[in-house]
Amino acid sequence: SQELEQSPQSLIVQEGKNLTINCTSSKTLYGLYWYKQKYGEGLIFLMMLQKGGEEKSHEKITAKLDEKKQQSSLHITASQPSHAGIYLCGADKEFDDMRFGAGTRLTVKP
Amino acid sequence: DVKVTQSSRYLVKRTGEKVFLECVQDMDHENMFWYRQDPGLGLRLIYFSYDVKMKEKGDIPEGYSVSREKKERFSLILESASTNQTSMYLCASSFWGGVNEQYFGPGTRLTVT
Repeated sequence: SQELEQSPQSLIVQEGKNLTINCTSSKTLYGLYWYKQKYGEGLIFLMMLQKGGEEKSHEKITAKLDEKKQQSSLHITASQPSHAGIYLCGADKEFDDMRFGAGTRLTVKP
Repeated sequence: DVKVTQSSRYLVKRTGEKVFLECVQDMDHENMFWYRQDPGLGLRLIYFSYDVKMKEKGDIPEGYSVSREKKERFSLILESASTNQTSMYLCASSFWGGVNEQYFGPGTRLTVT
């Protein structure tokens, strides 16, 4: 089973709506990363969270790491078609390797 | 800008063939990674390397090998391709230590028939 569980697996929203994607870990997170992937392409780094309670924002995307450091949420405000893609969370492992969740596929309807 | 390039975007090979996938990065990163991505399974780490000639197994190394003779280049080798290795292969690189922000290549979609 995966160490990182993402929910939902897919999401369809109307343009302008807010949405939240969750990433839950079975272990304490020491570094949690959010990436975005456009269909059929490589991943692009969005942000990284390390401290419990930490919150970071980039444009209309906000990510939080809960106090217990086992769950992170990614919130998009006023979604746009440019937000469409696959969002993946990743967690640091022992060395500099990383493990990823299965991803959440976001579709934004104009 | 960091650039990670992969030798092919699309590749079709026959069962039993030896397949080479190449990845090159231009940011002097110590770490390089090979993943495969399958629907519903996300990214799974095959191998990674934190230095020239060094390699570490990821979660699914069976059927694959890697080579890192130069810092900027990391090759993934399928010794005898099988149909269950049909997948999207993604290469990534990052600096050693500190924030592990990985830079990804565009991916190679491999089909084994």
